[in-house]
Amino acid sequence: NAGVTQTPKFQVLKTGQSMTLQCAQDMNHNSMYWYRQDPGMGLRLIYYSASEGTTDKGEVPNGYNVSRLNKREFSLRLESAAPSQTSVYFCASTGSYSYNEQFFGPGTRLTVL
Amino acid sequence: GENVEQHPSTLSVQEGDSAVIKCTYSDSASNYFPWYKQELGKRPQLIIDIRSNVGEKKDQRIAVTLNKTAKHFSLHITETQPEDSAVYFCAAPPEWDSGAGSYQLTFGKGTKLSVIP
Repeated sequence: NAGVTQTPKFQVLKTGQSMTLQCAQDMNHNSMYWYRQDPGMGLRLIYYSASEGTTDKGEVPNGYNVSRLNKREFSLRLESAAPSQTSVYFCASTGSYSYNEQFFGPGTRLTVL
Repeated sequence: GENVEQHPSTLSVQEGDSAVIKCTYSDSASNYFPWYKQELGKRPQLIIDIRSNVGEKKDQRIAVTLNKTAKHFSLHITETQPEDSAVYFCAAPPEWDSGAGSYQLTFGKGTKLSVIP
């Protein structure tokens, strides 16, 4: 099993450009999450999807959109990138109906110039 | 929503000594408290968790204690080794989504632990 995978690993954008971060998991998990990690700020939840077909805002959703394409895939889109969105983005997944471990992907390091 | 505060932000210990990291949370309904370890350039990984029906849980050199009355929980690492050097995050869920059967986590800001050989 690959676990949680993310693409790309690194990306540099100019202000105003758009891009989509991809995430996939092969653990048959229902719940998936997108976090951003900034120095000294810990991990902050952007959006999550409790199950296929549902998405909800987290703590810092402004400037982002998400799509739960199917049970395996959960993408994060930046429509018009801003320097404040420079960060490391992590996708995570977990099983449902109990407090289970969240498994994280390897992360995407995004720089917006 | 849930608020999680973590202290200290940095911690240096001599190899073989113990390390303690403390977290407080605000939502008295929280009943699951995981700890994640993140090595430099790597993804966070769960190292231990505790549910509110127990006050302490141990796994070899690591342990977590929970005080629900005071709303704080702590990570204890004994006999520290250089490979324990990493950033540690505590977390707590603000609520359980019973309709969706899911939960979210609010993370503390992290503690950078350095173990000096």
